[in-house]
Amino acid sequence: DAGVIQSPRHEVTEMGQEVTLRCKPISGHNSLFWYRQTMMRGLELLIYFNNNVPIDDSGMPEDRFSAKMPNASFSTLKIQPSEPRDSAVYFCASSSLAGGQNEQYFGPGTRLTVT
Amino acid sequence: RKEVEQDPGPFNVPEGATVAFNCTYSNSASQSFFWYRQDCRKEPKLLMSVYSSGNEDGRFTAQLNRASQYISLLIRDSKLSDSATYLCVVNNGGNTPLVFGKGTRLSVIA
Repeated sequence: DAGVIQSPRHEVTEMGQEVTLRCKPISGHNSLFWYRQTMMRGLELLIYFNNNVPIDDSGMPEDRFSAKMPNASFSTLKIQPSEPRDSAVYFCASSSLAGGQNEQYFGPGTRLTVT
Repeated sequence: RKEVEQDPGPFNVPEGATVAFNCTYSNSASQSFFWYRQDCRKEPKLLMSVYSSGNEDGRFTAQLNRASQYISLLIRDSKLSDSATYLCVVNNGGNTPLVFGKGTRLSVIA
């Protein structure tokens, strides 16, 4: 079975540019999570969706960040304009609401560098 | 106070050693508990769930103490391949997201 798929795997961009990260959750999973990981702050939850509906976006750092989930098999995280402090690894994860213990499965991440 | 706290390490141990990691959580309503493993430059992966009665999976033993809000992971007979960061994770119930600790780094040395 395919796991969570993310693209691109690496992104290098200049400050001020728009960045779009993509995620395809595991088929049948109905919760999707976006995380950011840095050495200093560890793994931070940015936003999550249940059944394509955003539930909690309090972790989104600023208005420069936005996320959408137009259907059950696709989500995007957009940063516009990007800044050097956005450099991090961005993970997408999915889980099944039907799962007894709510285990999450992570994608391989997108390593973002903003210069 | 952080919701999930772990000693960041690093723990440097020789092959064959037994090593234990501890974790505390602040929300007494937390309902389920996990250990995730993260290799360098990789995504976190589920290592094992933690059950109230304690559970074992090969060389790995996880324990939960709800009264003290404390979770542990014991690794016996450490292998070089156990070198990774171990993340303590709690779920506060329902459809809420998992809450991750910052991880404990383990290096197993030949």
